[in-house]
Amino acid sequence: SQQGEEDPQALSIQEGENATMNCSYKTSINNLQWYRQNSGRGLVHLILIRSNEREKHSGRLRVTLDTSKKSSSLLITASRAADTASYFCAGETSGSRLTFGEGTQLTVNP
Amino acid sequence: DVKVTQSSRYLVKRTGEKVFLECVQDMDHENMFWYRQDPGLGLRLIYFSYDVKMKEKGDIPEGYSVSREKKERFSLILESASTNQTSMYLCASSLVRQGEYGTEAFFGQGTRLTVV
Repeated sequence: SQQGEEDPQALSIQEGENATMNCSYKTSINNLQWYRQNSGRGLVHLILIRSNEREKHSGRLRVTLDTSKKSSSLLITASRAADTASYFCAGETSGSRLTFGEGTQLTVNP
Repeated sequence: DVKVTQSSRYLVKRTGEKVFLECVQDMDHENMFWYRQDPGLGLRLIYFSYDVKMKEKGDIPEGYSVSREKKERFSLILESASTNQTSMYLCASSLVRQGEYGTEAFFGQGTRLTVV
């Protein structure tokens, strides 16, 4: 079963706007990670938030984690056309097992 | 930089063939993973290995097996390929998680397998 479910499945915005993607998960996790995938390529790690953290920033990325609601959000500020990609959340459970959600396809229009 | 290399970018095989997908990582990672990715379904874990000769089934292991004889190499085997195994296959590796600190996974570029 999928660990994460992303919302929305697809998001289209204009350059300069902020993009917010949400993820919900089902089981207890040690941490939650976000990855990016350009079309037809492998995934690249963006940011990791531990289960005892509530918010984390990295450049234009802001991630929040609410373990009581089993949910996380990824905010990309001041989006650029180059941010166009699919974004996945992944929960790490015991033994370093990593389970992914279905992803959000983000399109940033110039 | 960590490099995870999958042996083929594109592969076309016939129904019933035995198919081997190879993955090699160069950073001495303990964990290695095989996922398949299908539109609308995200990444689904097929098998996971946390050490040489050690493996765990993922969410969709049916029709697949794996081999990890050396730490750097993790092979996915389709015993008898079927058309419903046409998919993008992604290999990844990571270090063992240390306490509360998580570790990121590094991915290969993927193998797009078509079974005809």
